[in-house]
Amino acid sequence: EVQLVESGGGLVLPGGSLKVSCVASGFNFSGAAIHWVRQASGKGLEWIGRIRSKTNNYATTYAASLKGRFTLSRDDSMRTAFLQMNSLKTEDTAVYYCARQADGYNDYWGQGTLVTVSS
Amino acid sequence: DIVMTQYPDSLAVSLGERATINCRSSQSVLFSFDNKNYLAWYRQKPGQPPKLLIYGASTRESGVPDRFTGSGSGTDFTLTISSLQADDVAVYYCQQYYTTPRTFGQGTKLEI
Repeated sequence: EVQLVESGGGLVLPGGSLKVSCVASGFNFSGAAIHWVRQASGKGLEWIGRIRSKTNNYATTYAASLKGRFTLSRDDSMRTAFLQMNSLKTEDTAVYYCARQADGYNDYWGQGTLVTVSS
Repeated sequence: DIVMTQYPDSLAVSLGERATINCRSSQSVLFSFDNKNYLAWYRQKPGQPPKLLIYGASTRESGVPDRFTGSGSGTDFTLTISSLQADDVAVYYCQQYYTTPRTFGQGTKLEI
């Protein structure tokens, strides 16, 4: 069974940093691209970025509005993808999802982890 | 960036009736190399992550009931839910995966 489980969310002060994780199981993690998507409460889905596989040189692509503050990485030996978030703002408060890329689209999603940026 | 626009923003349909949700992209998501539309539909119930329903504009994901039908090509797409059931209450999103950044429609809230 394919599973993605996010963790690491929590309360962080404005200007702070947080690193969330996405642990995968049930599929060939090292061969898959992983996307991150966030959703503020009551709002729509916002794409954050994608990290590709080793075969594709772990290439990363980001939403322009987030590039420079957010960084994607992965550790295939741990079957884990990471989202590092720096200089956090109150508007970054959201549920953060990781999702597996199938043939371009996202076929499996984690349950999400809530990040709250507040003083 | 490709802008995805859904309409309507919300929709109320009676049980057993048909629901139609539309999605328009600001540029074509039809890839000429393989003649496929890089358009997906997702359903999101409250408190849950999105669930893939349709990809390639019209291919149902495994396990998705045939009540769900995707259609369209190029820039205009439709998700049709025939014979609406109570379990279909959710927000529905279209997404283009033709290019990055991936972009989603704003969502259509479907109610009974």
